[in-house]
Amino acid sequence: KNEVEQSPQNLTAQEGEFITINCSYSVGISALHWLQQHPGGGIVSLFMLSSGKKKHGRLIATINIQEKHSSLHITASHPRDSAVYICAVAPGAGSYQLTFGKGTKLSVIP
Amino acid sequence: DAMVIQNPRYQVTQFGKPVTLSCSQTLNHNVMYWYQQKSSQAPKLLFHYYDKDFNNEADTPDNFQSRRPNTSFCFLDIRSPGLGDAAMYLCATALARNPTDTQYFGPGTRLTVL
Repeated sequence: KNEVEQSPQNLTAQEGEFITINCSYSVGISALHWLQQHPGGGIVSLFMLSSGKKKHGRLIATINIQEKHSSLHITASHPRDSAVYICAVAPGAGSYQLTFGKGTKLSVIP
Repeated sequence: DAMVIQNPRYQVTQFGKPVTLSCSQTLNHNVMYWYQQKSSQAPKLLFHYYDKDFNNEADTPDNFQSRRPNTSFCFLDIRSPGLGDAAMYLCATALARNPTDTQYFGPGTRLTVL
């Protein structure tokens, strides 16, 4: 079974700071998802990565398949970025079940 | 807008009193998932439907059942809720069961058991 570790567990930042959240996993995967969960509970999918790097607005996600590691970066952070960020990995082809990390709780202070 | 809708958003029930949570989607996706998420924990997959094919996870208690009467709707039935079943219940949909497919989540139903 894949073990998914996220760091840090909690992160407080000042508005405008550059933020990095890390995710490591133990077994090879076919895809990695970054999700955002706001205090109300709903989850939004931010990125799906199988290699390389993706960018959407102020969010950048990278993955290193060899090192089994992914990072989510937020540039020019804003209080509305405050949420729990969850890394979830999908195992090899033919398996659909995601293994979730426990999440990183981000608070951005004005 | 196409979306995943869950009702109710908040549900309070009594110990042992059956409860039904509902999920509907306008995405016409084949797959519908039910997750249980307890406070400060990762979501845990309970079961999913691929079209009409029901797939139960091995460690999902028998107390939890599901129905999918059509493509758009899926229900989670908790036959005799216990205090340990208090959680956020999340419904998600996906076009197919591919690891690269994005899952679209509903807002969740927060269940309280008194």
